[in-house]
Amino acid sequence: DVKVTQSSRYLVKRTGEKVFLECVQDMDHENMFWYRQDPGLGLRLIYFSYDVKMKEKGDIPEGYSVSREKKERFSLILESASTNQTSMYLCASKVRQGTDTQYFGPGTRLTVL
Amino acid sequence: AQSVAQPEDQVNVAEGNPLTVKCTYSVSGNPYLFWYVQYPNRGLQFLLKYITGDNLVKGSYGFEAEFNKSQTSFHLKKPSALVSDSALYFCAVSNYGNNRLAFGKGNQVVVIP
Repeated sequence: DVKVTQSSRYLVKRTGEKVFLECVQDMDHENMFWYRQDPGLGLRLIYFSYDVKMKEKGDIPEGYSVSREKKERFSLILESASTNQTSMYLCASKVRQGTDTQYFGPGTRLTVL
Repeated sequence: AQSVAQPEDQVNVAEGNPLTVKCTYSVSGNPYLFWYVQYPNRGLQFLLKYITGDNLVKGSYGFEAEFNKSQTSFHLKKPSALVSDSALYFCAVSNYGNNRLAFGKGNQVVVIP
C-alpha cells in the first residue's frame, strides 16, 4: 500500500514564525502536492512538484514556498505565518500524470495565533 | 478550466436506505473522475475512479458511481447506507495530460441510525 506521512498532526505557531510542514512518501512517486482544506471551500492546490527540484504554483501560492530536494520528500514552508493560514494542510502523491490516483497523507492541522 | 459542483452541503439518510451523493463537472476533453472520502481529522481516502470504459464504476466499501457524459455527472451511490458511512465526500476531476485535480467543496453525509 502507498504510504504518505506528514510530520505533525497538530501544530500551533505564532504570527510571524517560519513554519515547515514535511511530507514523505514511500512509493517512489514522481508527483507530490500540497493542498489546504477549509470548510466550505474544499481542497485548494498550493503547489505541486513533478520531479526533484521542480515545482509549479497551484491556485493559492501566495505566502507559501516549497522545497523538494529528494524524490520522497516535499516540504511546505510558510515564510512568515499569519492567522489566515490557520487551516488543514494535506499532502498527496501519485506516480505520473493523467489517470493515476492521488494518495493523501493524514493532514496537519495548523493553528496560527 | 476544470471544475466540480457538489450541490448539496449535507445529505441525511436513514441507515439501510440508499445513499446518493451528487457531482457534476466541467472539463475540456474526456474527464477523469474521482471520489474520495474523509473521516474526521483524517486525510482523504480514495474510493473509486472513472477513466474510460463502463459507465458504472465499483469501488471500496460497497460504493459505486455512474458516469453520465450527456449530463456531465458522476454521482456516488451505495444501495444500503451504514452509520459508519457518515463522513465528508469529495468529487474531483482531471483530464488527459493534466497533473491537477479540481475538487468540489465536499458533501457531509450523515447516516441516521
